[in-house]
Amino acid sequence: EAGVVQSPRYKIIEKKQPVAFWCNPISGHNTLYWYRQNLGQGPELLIRYENEEAVDDSQLPKDRFSAERLKGVDSTLKIQPAELGDSAVYLCASSLAGNNSPLHFGNGTRLTVT
Amino acid sequence: QKEVEQDPGPLSVPEGAIVSLNCTYSNSAFQYFMWYRQYSRKGPELLMYTYSSGNKEDGRFTAQVDKSSKYISLFIRDSQPSDSATYLCANGVLSGSARQLTFGSGTQLTVLP
Repeated sequence: EAGVVQSPRYKIIEKKQPVAFWCNPISGHNTLYWYRQNLGQGPELLIRYENEEAVDDSQLPKDRFSAERLKGVDSTLKIQPAELGDSAVYLCASSLAGNNSPLHFGNGTRLTVT
Repeated sequence: QKEVEQDPGPLSVPEGAIVSLNCTYSNSAFQYFMWYRQYSRKGPELLMYTYSSGNKEDGRFTAQVDKSSKYISLFIRDSQPSDSATYLCANGVLSGSARQLTFGSGTQLTVLP
């Protein structure tokens, strides 16, 4: 079984520039999550999708962050414009629906904003 | 106060030692308790999860939950250099059909050969 695939692995941009991250979840996983992990911290949820629907985006900074999950499979997270404080690892995770389904994480995209 | 607290370490132990990693939480609504392992520059991977107070064992790993004191532990027996990683405590509630997880900051463990 292929795992959660994220790209790119690393991204360095200047502040005020846009950036996008892509995630391909495990086949058949209805639920998709985007987390942000700052250095030395645990992951923090940004947004959760059930199929195509964003069901929890309360922690997503909507002034500059946007996300989409077209067709309920792949997802893209965008930041425009990026700020210095956005430097972090952006993790995508997926799971089957249901309370016994573990989250499977990708290896993340490490973003550095200069 | 964070909802889930962990001692950040770093913790260094010799190979073969018994490791104890601890986590406390403040939210009484948490229904299940997980431990994730995260290697450097990798995503977290689930080690163990449990819904109830008591012990759960899986090979060299034992998770212990005490809901009355809101205290969670992970024990690693016969620790190996390959156990060197950051261990994240994650607690959660059900939100719709999916879990809503709150992670601790993690404890960095190094097992010395």
